[in-house]
Amino acid sequence: EPEVTQTPSHQVTQMGQEVILRCVPISNHLYFYWYRQILGQKVEFLVSFYNNEISEKSEIFDDQFSVERPDGSNFTLKIRSTKLEDSAMYFCASSVIEGGELFFGEGSRLTVL
Amino acid sequence: KQEVTQIPAALSVPEGENLVLNCSFTDSAIYNLQWFRQDPGKGLTSLLLIQSSQREQTSGRLNASLDKSSGRSTLYIAASQPGDSATYLCAFWVNQAGTALIFGKGTTLSVSS
Repeated sequence: EPEVTQTPSHQVTQMGQEVILRCVPISNHLYFYWYRQILGQKVEFLVSFYNNEISEKSEIFDDQFSVERPDGSNFTLKIRSTKLEDSAMYFCASSVIEGGELFFGEGSRLTVL
Repeated sequence: KQEVTQIPAALSVPEGENLVLNCSFTDSAIYNLQWFRQDPGKGLTSLLLIQSSQREQTSGRLNASLDKSSGRSTLYIAASQPGDSATYLCAFWVNQAGTALIFGKGTTLSVSS
């Protein structure tokens, strides 16, 4: 069964360092998303992406964050200068249509020291 | 601001029991609603998607209903098993143009054998 895959599964970084989280969405999906979940809290929306541009972003997604689809399969989230409060599980998701069933990856756990 | 509330926050039941998880939202003008399962430290697994024109969906032992007028959705699990132990999340789109899912905090279910 097709699935969303994410790498790395866990990354530890020093505050101020740049981090890139990678995702391979399901191949026929057109809409891509990043969500995050701080330990013990709700899953929060970061950004949605369609047709090579951002469709919507939340207040969390400030200038330190960027997304890119560098080729036909990968979808990346970059955090330019990590802060302690960026420590969370980051989930990539994809869907065939807007508002359709969303499929999530296993997540990338980011720990900022 | 849209809010999603899930009650109860935690639930412990013996194996074989039928149970209902509740999800309520503050604005009845929602589009689609999706139920997920999350195992500790893992990603989100899609269980059921209820589209805006539907009132319920069934998959195996799971049945989800949606009543937009009252702002409620329920997830019914029949004949619970220890393998059902997980956190169950509900999430919805505000409208078709909205590209972000809004999540509840979840109900953590423990089924004992």
